[in-house]
Amino acid sequence: GAVVSQHPSRVICKSGTSVKIECRSLDFQATTMFWYRQFPKQSLMLMATSNEGSKATYEQGVEKDKFLINHASLTLSTLTVTSAHPEDSSFYICSARGSEGYNEQFFGPGTRLTVL
Amino acid sequence: QKEVEQDPGPLSVPEGAIVSLNCTYSNSAFQYFMWYRQYSRKGPELLMYTYSSGNKEDGRFTAQVDKSSKYISLFIRDSQPSDSATYLCAIKGAQKLVFGQGTRLTINP
Repeated sequence: GAVVSQHPSRVICKSGTSVKIECRSLDFQATTMFWYRQFPKQSLMLMATSNEGSKATYEQGVEKDKFLINHASLTLSTLTVTSAHPEDSSFYICSARGSEGYNEQFFGPGTRLTVL
Repeated sequence: QKEVEQDPGPLSVPEGAIVSLNCTYSNSAFQYFMWYRQYSRKGPELLMYTYSSGNKEDGRFTAQVDKSSKYISLFIRDSQPSDSATYLCAIKGAQKLVFGQGTRLTINP
């Protein structure tokens, strides 16, 4: 299957700082990327969907000014958590979908964010 | 009512047992059905993907879809300790995947 990477895998930061997470599709062009959030022992909650070159579409209740998403190329999307607070601590997972496999999404390994 | 319902478990079975994991969904417009496996602190991995009613087999795994009942299942035969993980059903609507809560499965040697 297709490979999606995320960096960093784990980040610890102080409250009030901003954190950027990168998501890359390594062997295919990702026309659409998705960002999810997962709390312990809970399922994945979709935060936003982004298409290359377009503004991201955020799910209801997700603050777009707090979670900045950029999908500038067909292989890279970034999620920036601005002015992070302890309640933003979570497991963030990206997913990518190519134009050919429209119904298949491939997930990255996730980034664990801890805000102190 | 949630769009996708999945028993969170936990489910614990002995090695070699047949495991049955299930989900129900509410929207008959859903057309594509997936099962993902997620190990602890890792991203989900696509296991099975189907779009029609009936069975689809891949090695020890069988995915079953019953659209009339809005019910999907994943069967694992000859379960192994390495199958211990959280299994998530996911159903695709018009644009996005909707995930079940996930079932934590432990296979005991």
